[in-house]
Amino acid sequence: GQQLNQSPQSMFIQEGEDVSMNCTSSSIFNTWLWYKQDPGEGPVLLIALYKAGELTSNGRLTAQFGITRKDSFLNISASIPSDVGIYFCAGPYNFNKFYFGSGTKLNVKP
Amino acid sequence: GAGVSQSPRYKVAKRGQDVALRCDPISGHVSLFWYQQALGQGPEFLTYFQNEAQLDKSGLPSDRFFAERPEGSVSTLKIQRTQQEDSAVYLCASSLSRWPIQETQYFGPGTRLLVL
Repeated sequence: GQQLNQSPQSMFIQEGEDVSMNCTSSSIFNTWLWYKQDPGEGPVLLIALYKAGELTSNGRLTAQFGITRKDSFLNISASIPSDVGIYFCAGPYNFNKFYFGSGTKLNVKP
Repeated sequence: GAGVSQSPRYKVAKRGQDVALRCDPISGHVSLFWYQQALGQGPEFLTYFQNEAQLDKSGLPSDRFFAERPEGSVSTLKIQRTQQEDSAVYLCASSLSRWPIQETQYFGPGTRLLVL
């Protein structure tokens, strides 16, 4: 199957700091998705990217679809305690088969 | 409105037992997905339904895994003769659109399966 490599695996930051995480693939994806998962819950979609080079914001979150279509990054500005969770990148391969990265675990110290 | 619901939320099974996991998607959602999420990993695709048709089951790990959606709404994932390696969270997601999926997938809270 397709491999989506996320880095870093985990982060410990202070409240108010900015965060950056990324996702790379060996294959081209036509859509990049970023999800957040809280403990005991299913992932929730944060941002969807549909075009190479696209930069999209959702509040304090900004994500970009890499020009090569093999990577994407997610930035969170001015982190707050409720940003704690696991962030996954994902993309559809063959339209309906979605692949997920292994996640970046974010810890925010108040 | 109600989101995707899954039941049971937790299931403990003895090795060799059969289990059935239920997913109630959002009403009217055409597409339904099942994923398996091992501890510390991202969700892994198992299978995809468009209405009652199972269009992709390439992610099912073995013939012990079977999924159905007979009336195009509720879906059941069945695992026969469970093994310890089947222990994971099983996530269901639904989406309004048909293939190719462009709309958001909404995930349920998952069923945590532990096989002893």
